[in-house]
Amino acid sequence: AQSVAQPEDQVNVAEGNPLTVKCTYSVSGNPYLFWYVQYPNRGLQFLLKYITGDNLVKGSYGFEAEFNKSQTSFHLKKPSALVSDSALYFCAVRDMDTGRRALTFGSGTRLQVQP
Amino acid sequence: EAQVTQNPRYLITVTGKKLTVTCSQNMNHEYMSWYRQDPGLGLRQIYYSMNVEVTDKGDVPEGYKVSRKEKRNFPLILESPSPNQTSLYFCASSLSGTGGFPEAFFGQGTRLTVV
Repeated sequence: AQSVAQPEDQVNVAEGNPLTVKCTYSVSGNPYLFWYVQYPNRGLQFLLKYITGDNLVKGSYGFEAEFNKSQTSFHLKKPSALVSDSALYFCAVRDMDTGRRALTFGSGTRLQVQP
Repeated sequence: EAQVTQNPRYLITVTGKKLTVTCSQNMNHEYMSWYRQDPGLGLRQIYYSMNVEVTDKGDVPEGYKVSRKEKRNFPLILESPSPNQTSLYFCASSLSGTGGFPEAFFGQGTRLTVV
């Protein structure tokens, strides 16, 4: 079975500082990994994905994520946080080697960026 | 504009009264799915559909039905809603993808309360 852990319910960071939102995963085969963001009263929006290749993936709104196979992690990062980045962030995984197409989501991390 | 549209956005109903939440996408996507979002649990897949007339259970299908008579529509049916189905529901769609796994597009969500 595949699973995702987001160990922090909330991350607080000052505007202009770098931010990291942590994600670790477990799959039996090779993973597809995703980050989604949810703003209040909105659906989830795709940020970035890792399929294969370069371990550093760049996505929307200046976000990037680093895939680390040995640590089974896929942490979301941004060099300089904005107040408008405040939202709920979800990490998700899909096992490439099974027929299931379902994404398994983490429980979410609320990012709060203070002015 | 490419979008996934859910209706209604908010619904309060009583136990046992059948209801349908509609979902429509305008991107000609083959794959559609329903998720429920509960605090601390992230999103969990209820049902999915690989294409017209092809549906299958996700992780939490009990108490739900779906149909896929047309490519663009994927309604979620609660034949006899119960209070434990009070949740935030999301419809999602994506291309089936032959290489890699395309990102999913999400609707804005339906907040359902069963009293």
